[in-house]
Amino acid sequence: EPEVTQTPSHQVTQMGQEVILRCVPISNHLYFYWYRQILGQKVEFLVSFYNNEISEKSEIFDDQFSVERPDGSNFTLKIRSTKLEDSAMYFCASSESARGNGYTFGSGTRLTVV
Amino acid sequence: QKEVEQNSGPLSVPEGAIASLNCTYSDRGSQSFFWYRQYSGKSPELIMSIYSNGDKEDGRFTAQLNKASQYVSLLIRDSQPSDSATYLCAVNMIGGSYIPTFGRGTSLIVHP
Repeated sequence: EPEVTQTPSHQVTQMGQEVILRCVPISNHLYFYWYRQILGQKVEFLVSFYNNEISEKSEIFDDQFSVERPDGSNFTLKIRSTKLEDSAMYFCASSESARGNGYTFGSGTRLTVV
Repeated sequence: QKEVEQNSGPLSVPEGAIASLNCTYSDRGSQSFFWYRQYSGKSPELIMSIYSNGDKEDGRFTAQLNKASQYVSLLIRDSQPSDSATYLCAVNMIGGSYIPTFGRGTSLIVHP
């Protein structure tokens, strides 16, 4: 079954450093998303991406964050100047359509900022 | 504030019983409803989607939608210990957006 691949599975970084989280969405999906989940809290939407541009973003997705699709397969989330409160699981997801029949989530990257 | 509400639980049921998980949402314009299962430390996995009022069955799972009352539920028949997980309700078209809003999830424990 097609899956969304995320790397790394766990990233530890020092406060103030930049991190890049990587995702390979399902190949025939056109819509890509980043979500995060702080430990014990709900899954929160960060950003959606379609046709090489951001289609929607949440309040969380401020200037500290950026997304990019550098080639035909990868989809990245960059977090600049990380803060302790950025520690969370970050999930990439993809879907065939905007309305979605539900998303396929990747296995996640656990980001720990120390 | 557009919200999706779930009882955090835990909901504890014996093996073989029916587990009933409920979710309410605030936006009457919502159109698509999803149930995800999330094991501890893992990513959400889509179980069911439902778009019309009534019941939708898939194996041991039945999703029920009542748009007038703004609730969606998930029934798990013949619950197994492997069903022990957190069940997330997600609703889109909240505030006109196709992006699903997730509830906090209900923790289900199925004990042998």
